[in-house]
Amino acid sequence: QVQLQESGPGLVKPSETLSLTCAVSGYSISSGYYWGWIRQPPGKGLEWIGSIYHSGSTYYNPSLKSRVTISVDTSKNQFSLKLSSVTAADTAVYYCATQAASGIDYWGQGTLVTVSS
Amino acid sequence: DIQLTQSPSFLSASVGDRVTITCRASQGISSYLAWYQQKPGKAPKLLIYAASTLQSGVPSRFSGSGSGTEFTLTISSLQPEDFATYYCQQLNSYPRSTFGGGTKVEIK
Repeated sequence: QVQLQESGPGLVKPSETLSLTCAVSGYSISSGYYWGWIRQPPGKGLEWIGSIYHSGSTYYNPSLKSRVTISVDTSKNQFSLKLSSVTAADTAVYYCATQAASGIDYWGQGTLVTVSS
Repeated sequence: DIQLTQSPSFLSASVGDRVTITCRASQGISSYLAWYQQKPGKAPKLLIYAASTLQSGVPSRFSGSGSGTEFTLTISSLQPEDFATYYCQQLNSYPRSTFGGGTKVEIK
């Protein structure tokens, strides 16, 4: 059973960089899947942020591409998200997830990140 | 970019009702569509993939159909635990992806 757990600061100041890590257990990141980040602003819908393969190949949402970096650490079985120059519009619950061609079958519980001074 | 438009964005229904939600893609995506159910404070749950294949463990009252640009999610007889928000997701450009705007199903 694949389990994912997000971690990182729950409060980030405007213009700073949001950093989150997703720890994966029950499955080796190197075994397959793309590993993705999805976010959901309070009371709004889901937004795909981007995904990474264990080789390091990345794919980003064009609307966020200039500010997003996703990386993977296979030795720690985890992957990470960095989002730079954040504003209040980046306040959201951030989910990490497995990303198969058929859909997302495993999700983290989500972590709320608030952008505020 | 492929855009997904869900309709309606909100619907009110009663237990036992048949409910249909539509997802339209801005360009053809074959059958590369998934449906999710999300309850408040929880991560989404995969219901259907490849437009019409039921995920393991999902009740058979849920069904999906469509291909190309128009897709539907149907709940044949709405149950109390089905009141939630439903999202479609296109995977035609996998591993890139987009979600529809969501449909909230509430109790009438």
